[in-house]
Amino acid sequence: KNEVEQSPQNLTAQEGEFITINCSYSVGISALHWLQQHPGGGIVSLFMLSSGKKKHGRLIATINIQEKHSSLHITASHPRDSAVYICAVRYPGGGADGLTFGKGTHLIIQP
Amino acid sequence: EPEVTQTPSHQVTQMGQEVILRCVPISNHLYFYWYRQILGQKVEFLVSFYNNEISEKSEIFDDQFSVERPDGSNFTLKIRSTKLEDSAMYFCASSGGTPNTEAFFGQGTRLTVV
Repeated sequence: KNEVEQSPQNLTAQEGEFITINCSYSVGISALHWLQQHPGGGIVSLFMLSSGKKKHGRLIATINIQEKHSSLHITASHPRDSAVYICAVRYPGGGADGLTFGKGTHLIIQP
Repeated sequence: EPEVTQTPSHQVTQMGQEVILRCVPISNHLYFYWYRQILGQKVEFLVSFYNNEISEKSEIFDDQFSVERPDGSNFTLKIRSTKLEDSAMYFCASSGGTPNTEAFFGQGTRLTVV
């Protein structure tokens, strides 16, 4: 199976800045997930996308199926947004295929 | 809000010992997964489980690993004879009526093999 690439690997920004994290993959997928992992290790699902755009509070996720690319945006960033953001994809296939994960983007928002 | 719960949160075991990691998925979910994350590395898929059988497994999931849903609520991962390299965070996840629905993750079990 193919890799999932995320950029940037690390991102430090000031409170209030608009944040963009990118994810690309090389073959067709059936779904893409954006996940958040806090320092304690727990993983929280933010979005699941198969097309278009989704918004939840200050978070926006978009996906371009033709370009095999997704972005996660955070508006009006806040120190509590500091976490690792992970992109994960499900490749189409029979059965309950597991997710393939990117390496994550380590985001730090400074006050 | 429903959640996936994992126990224990941290387990230390001696090399060669058997460990069982436990998970209670969300009650009406049908698809169950185990993932692991070695410290400093990305999350990796181990196994998926549907309709009381393994649906898919990765190369990592060798004969030392097994999964079970013994009573319709718990979902367990057993490592038969632990190795030092099994030290990792193990995450259980579940999703609803189809695989392509939102995945809910447990808080993880940190396994340390000494």
